[in-house]
Amino acid sequence: EVQLVESGGGLVQPGGSLRLSCAASGFTFSRSWIHWFRQAPGKGPVWVSRINTDGSDTSYADSVKGRFTISRDNAKNTLYLQMNSLGAEDTAVYYCAGRIAVAGGFDSWGQGTLVTVSS
Amino acid sequence: EIVLTQSPGTLSLSPGERATLSCRASQSISSTYLGWYQQKPGQAPRLLIYGASSRATGIPDRFSGSGSGTDFTLTISRLESEDFAVYYCQQYGYSPMYTFGQGTKLEIK
Repeated sequence: EVQLVESGGGLVQPGGSLRLSCAASGFTFSRSWIHWFRQAPGKGPVWVSRINTDGSDTSYADSVKGRFTISRDNAKNTLYLQMNSLGAEDTAVYYCAGRIAVAGGFDSWGQGTLVTVSS
Repeated sequence: EIVLTQSPGTLSLSPGERATLSCRASQSISSTYLGWYQQKPGQAPRLLIYGASSRATGIPDRFSGSGSGTDFTLTISRLESEDFAVYYCQQYGYSPMYTFGQGTKLEIK
């Protein structure tokens, strides 16, 4: 069974940092591009970042570029999102997601981890 | 950036009825890159349809997708109680922005 499990969320003060993790199992992680999405309360999902299979190619939404860094450790089957200079606008549930068993879309999602930026 | 606009914002129907949800893109997109998701409170989005009309694994055949160019539709042929949720369309072919529509809430009438 494909599983993605996020962790690392929590309450952080404005300007602070947080590192999210996404542990993968049930599929060949090292062959999969993986994405981060986020969803603010009452809003739709928004794409944040993605990384290719070996970590050599990354991409970011303009809203997080220069503040967030996506990375992966294929030996540990784990994806990361380092978030710096956090602001209230970054408050959201963060999901990792991948295209594992389909030819389009994102068929595998974690349960999400909540990040709250507040003083 | 491609903007997806969904309508209606809220759809009130009864179990057994047919639901038709619309997604309009701000510019023409390949149907290969259009998907539909269902989301229930406290849960992650669940992929229903990819490539505009292909059902994802395990999705019941009462869900169907159609459309091309700028206009796409998700149809639920006969609503069941578990279908009441929020539905999003998404384009995933125009990197780096994999944009979603604002969602349609399907509620019990």
